Amino acid sequence: DAGVIQSPRHEVTEMGQEVTLRCKPISGHDYLFWYRQTMMRGLELLIYFNNNVPIDDSGMPEDRFSAKMPNASFSTLKIQPSEPRDSAVYFCASSLELGQGGYEQYFGPGTRLTVT
Amino acid sequence: AQSVAQPEDQVNVAEGNPLTVKCTYSVSGNPYLFWYVQYPNRGLQFLLKYITGDNLVKGSYGFEAEFNKSQTSFHLKKPSALVSDSALYFCASDRGSTLGRLYFGRGTQLTVWP
Repeated sequence: DAGVIQSPRHEVTEMGQEVTLRCKPISGHDYLFWYRQTMMRGLELLIYFNNNVPIDDSGMPEDRFSAKMPNASFSTLKIQPSEPRDSAVYFCASSLELGQGGYEQYFGPGTRLTVT
Repeated sequence: AQSVAQPEDQVNVAEGNPLTVKCTYSVSGNPYLFWYVQYPNRGLQFLLKYITGDNLVKGSYGFEAEFNKSQTSFHLKKPSALVSDSALYFCASDRGSTLGRLYFGRGTQLTVWP
């Protein structure tokens, strides 16, 4: 398996622009997670899905952030409009259900977002 | 409420010496506990997990961790450190729930000196 795939790997955009990050989870995984990592705040969970349904979006910072999972093999995280404080590395991760071997999450390589 | 705590932001050890990266948890019941490693400019990689059974768990790259219920700890250990072990290490817990998410510690930067 290719693992979790994220695109783009790097994104540089200007303040006010819309940014869309994409994720393809590992085939057969039931959970999908979006995280943000910064030096100041560490690793933060933004939102996660189970079987394509959002379970907890309490970590989404503001209404400027939205996430969708239209099918089991694709998810997007959108920021509109973007701001400099959104600059971070965004990770997508996926995992199986507990009954299928445990909770370990598999992380993608991340998207490094810079908003100028 | 914090579920896992990593009391050390940084750990420095000489190559060949044993290493320990500490993690304590504050979850009631029987939590699942995990260790992940992050190399520069990479995503987190799963190292090992404790679910139930033997308190000593062996994982990837020669790492192991010991679950200690009385001390509520899950320290990561390796008998002989390598320079290539230098990375950021995260402890995580599920808080004893079945909701699927993990709660990560702040991370500990391990530096192994040659």
